[in-house]
Amino acid sequence: GEEVAQTPKHLVRGEGQKAKLYCAPIKGHSYVFWYQQVLKNEFKFLISFQNENVFDETGMPKERFSAKCLPNSPCSLEIQATKLEDSAVYFCASSHQRQTNYGYTFGSGTRLTVV
Amino acid sequence: AQKVTQAQTEISVVEKEDVTLDCVYETRDTTYYLFWYKQPPSGELVFLIRRNSFDEQNEISGRYSWNFQKSTSSFNFTITASQVVDSAVYFCALSEGMDSSYKLIFGSGTRLLVRP
Repeated sequence: GEEVAQTPKHLVRGEGQKAKLYCAPIKGHSYVFWYQQVLKNEFKFLISFQNENVFDETGMPKERFSAKCLPNSPCSLEIQATKLEDSAVYFCASSHQRQTNYGYTFGSGTRLTVV
Repeated sequence: AQKVTQAQTEISVVEKEDVTLDCVYETRDTTYYLFWYKQPPSGELVFLIRRNSFDEQNEISGRYSWNFQKSTSSFNFTITASQVVDSAVYFCALSEGMDSSYKLIFGSGTRLLVRP
């Protein structure tokens, strides 16, 4: 399809529980990016993939966050042992190349609430 | 280090007024890309424009126009004859061309409220 599909739209987890978010990039797009948008609109880059390979993971809190993009499956972002501070909207974006005339296409986001 | 500054946290205008949203960026790269995105109350991110560092031509698209000035490291966005539907948070973003990851560095956003 021509949209980046993120599921679920909303996710509520108790502190310490696991959260798993999914992203289906646009067919044919080989680059996937994850961003975290916390309160006050701050965006933070988490990780990017080129196909199934990690491209840049400099933004990932590695102790609890992990991500995968496997062939023929949606990409996933998993948070082990969630904390209150993980509450945010997580956006996925995909791109045909690293840079295109249209930038990146963003999904509609997954709102994670940790209680 | 790369950085994007949107000094205007919130702007309120009356419909039909013109409004300019400021964006100042910092980068050491000579090749980079600048973006504007709109985030309406529904939450999705809507792409508005992408410019590369070698193209300083100003751009106009309907009521929207962008002024890119490398001399002042600014990429300002003007909405002419604003409408209520323009109410949203607008983000300016930077992507460095020589940085292999091309990740977006976002500003903190400007919330625009257009009152009827």
